[in-house]
Amino acid sequence: SQTIHQWPATLVQPVGSPLSLECTVEGTSNPNLYWYRQAAGRGLQLLFYSVGIGQISSEVPQNLSASRPQDRQFILSSKKLLLSDSGFYLCAWSVGGHLPEQYFGPGTRLTVT
Amino acid sequence: DAKTTQPTSMDCAEGRAANLPCNHSTISGNEYVYWYRQIHSQGPQYIIHGLKNNETNEMASLIITEDRKSSTLILPHATLRDTAVYYCIVTTPGNYGNKLVFGAGTILRVKS
Repeated sequence: SQTIHQWPATLVQPVGSPLSLECTVEGTSNPNLYWYRQAAGRGLQLLFYSVGIGQISSEVPQNLSASRPQDRQFILSSKKLLLSDSGFYLCAWSVGGHLPEQYFGPGTRLTVT
Repeated sequence: DAKTTQPTSMDCAEGRAANLPCNHSTISGNEYVYWYRQIHSQGPQYIIHGLKNNETNEMASLIITEDRKSSTLILPHATLRDTAVYYCIVTTPGNYGNKLVFGAGTILRVKS
C-alpha cells in the first residue's frame, strides 16, 4: 500500500531564517506531487505541483520554492521566511493520469516568529 | 473550474444520516464532482467523486441531480468521528495533474 510521509511535524522558525520541508511517498512510482498551505482559519491553497523529476509548476508567486530531486521526494524551501509563511503545509500525491484522487500527508505546522 | 456553494455549517445527530448539499450551477459537461473532508489538524481525506451517475463506496454516497447543477454527499450513519470540514470540489483533469481548488467547505458537527 502507499504511504506518504512529511517531516518535521511541527516547526518554529524566526523571520528571515531558511526553510526546508520534506515529503516522501512509498509504494508507488512516478506520482504527481503537490504542496498546499493552509493559513489559520482559511482554506487550502495549492502552492506547487510536479508531474515528474525536475518538473515543478508554481501556482502562487511568493518566496517559496519547490524541488523534486527524486521520483518520490518533494521538497519545499525558502531562503528567508516571512511572518505570513506561517501555516499548515500539506503534501499530497496522486497517480498520474485521468482524474486521480489525491492523498494527503499528515502535514507540517510552521510558526514563523 | 466551476465554483461551488456549500452551507457554512451543519449539525447532525449521531447515528442519523448526514446530508451535505453542494451547488455547482455552472458545472460543464466534462467536470467531475469531488468530495474531501478534513478532520481538525489533519490532512484532507478523499471521500468520493462522480460525473453523472450516483456513486457509493464504503464511506459515503454521492447523489448528483440530473442537470448536474447540484449534488449531495450522504453519510448514512454519522458518528462523532465524522465531525470535520467537508469540501465539495468541481474540477477537470488538467494537462499536468489534477489541480484541486478548495473552498471554505461545510463544517459538519455530529452530536451525541
